[in-house]
Amino acid sequence: AQKITQTQPGMFVQEKEAVTLDCTYDTSDPSYGLFWYKQPSSGEMIFLIYQGSYDQQNATEGRYSLNFQKARKSANLVISASQLGDSAMYFCAMRGKLIFGQGTELSVKP
Amino acid sequence: EAQVTQNPRYLITVTGKKLTVTCSQNMNHEYMSWYRQDPGLGLRQIYYSMNVEVTDKGDVPEGYKVSRKEKRNFPLILESPSPNQTSLYFCASRIQQGNTEAFFGQGTRLTVV
Repeated sequence: AQKITQTQPGMFVQEKEAVTLDCTYDTSDPSYGLFWYKQPSSGEMIFLIYQGSYDQQNATEGRYSLNFQKARKSANLVISASQLGDSAMYFCAMRGKLIFGQGTELSVKP
Repeated sequence: EAQVTQNPRYLITVTGKKLTVTCSQNMNHEYMSWYRQDPGLGLRQIYYSMNVEVTDKGDVPEGYKVSRKEKRNFPLILESPSPNQTSLYFCASRIQQGNTEAFFGQGTRLTVV
C-alpha cells in the first residue's frame, strides 16, 4: 500500500526567505513519483512540480524545487524567496492512484 | 481551454435527499477520480475510473456511487446523504494513471443538514 505523510500542519515563513515543506512516503513499487500541489484560499488545486524515482536530478520549476532523498523516502518541496502569494495549503501526492498527504498550511509574513 | 467543470459549486441539502455532483472534462482524458477534502485529512480518493465503464473504489467509497458512461463525464451520486458527508469535493482527470499531472475541477462544497 502507498502512504504519504506530511507532518507539518502549519508553517510560517518571512517574506523573501526560503522554506522547506516536508513529505515522506512509503511504497513497495520500484518505480514511483511524487507531485506537489498548491491550494490557495480560493480552493483550486494548482500543479507545481513532479519528480519520478528514476530521475537523476532534483526537479526545479522556477522558485520551486524538490529535495528528493530516496534513502530517507522523502520528497520535500523547497520554495525560494517566499512571496505573500505563496500563502496556501500545499499537498504532496504519489503518482498512480494519486494518494495525497494531509497537507501543510504555509503562511508568509510581510 | 482545457478544463474540468464541476457543478454545483455549493450545495446545502437535507439528510436522505439524493443528489448528484456532475463532473465533465474536455481533454479526452481516460482517467478520472473523485476526492473529498476534510481538515487535517488531506484529499481522500472516493472512486476512480480508468476508462468508460471501468470504475473502482478508492479509499472512502461508502455512501457514494459513480458511473462512467461517456469518457468526458464522471458524476458522483449520493443516494442518501448524511451529515458526515459534509465536505469539499474535487473531481480530477488525467490522460492516464501514472506520472501525468491531474487537472482538478473548482470543487463542490457540500453541506448536509
